[in-house]
Amino acid sequence: GQSLEQPSEVTAVEGAIVQINCTYQTSGFYGLSWYQQHDGGAPTFLSYNGLDGLEETGRFSSFLSRSDSYGYLLLQELQMKDSASYFCARGADAGNMLTFGGGTRLMVKP
Amino acid sequence: NAGVTQTPKFQVLKTGQSMTLQCAQDMNHNSMYWYRQDPGMGLRLIYYSASEGTTDKGEVPNGYNVSRLNKREFSLRLESAAPSQTSVYFCASIDTDIHGYTFGSGTRLTVV
Repeated sequence: GQSLEQPSEVTAVEGAIVQINCTYQTSGFYGLSWYQQHDGGAPTFLSYNGLDGLEETGRFSSFLSRSDSYGYLLLQELQMKDSASYFCARGADAGNMLTFGGGTRLMVKP
Repeated sequence: NAGVTQTPKFQVLKTGQSMTLQCAQDMNHNSMYWYRQDPGMGLRLIYYSASEGTTDKGEVPNGYNVSRLNKREFSLRLESAAPSQTSVYFCASIDTDIHGYTFGSGTRLTVV
């Protein structure tokens, strides 16, 4: 089964802030990544957390707590174009393989 | 600068037919991957190649084979397609400096 858990769907309004949580199994954990995927498109890389703490890239930030086996993606100043699916993915030591969560579908409403 | 290029973009196969999905990257990445994505789900790893000359099974390898032809190219072969292999297939390579994958645009495969 999946070793990452994230909410299946989140709805927010334009201009707001939304947080997408992700919990993972710790066995062989190497880091947590986030990807965005628009309908019909390919996943695109957003961020990577190898160590505890916050990584910020423009309107998007990602956080990791290894002790809690937990991370989140924070999206600020939401725009309609942010409507997409967001996947957390955990890395493994061997081969830089990623295991993906089931994805969170974000709907941004006017 | 094309990134990761996959061909074909769409394919319909009859049960039992074979085909090869092609993937090439021009970013000089060592590691390449094949994932499948079923509707409303995350991506599952089929096979990966950590470096030229090596390949290893991922989470769902049954019914597939791969070839790492050279550093640029990593192909996925379905020897005898089954309806359960209807999916979207993504090839990816990793930039180890940022720990980020670059994905190809995907191949939408239907097996009837």
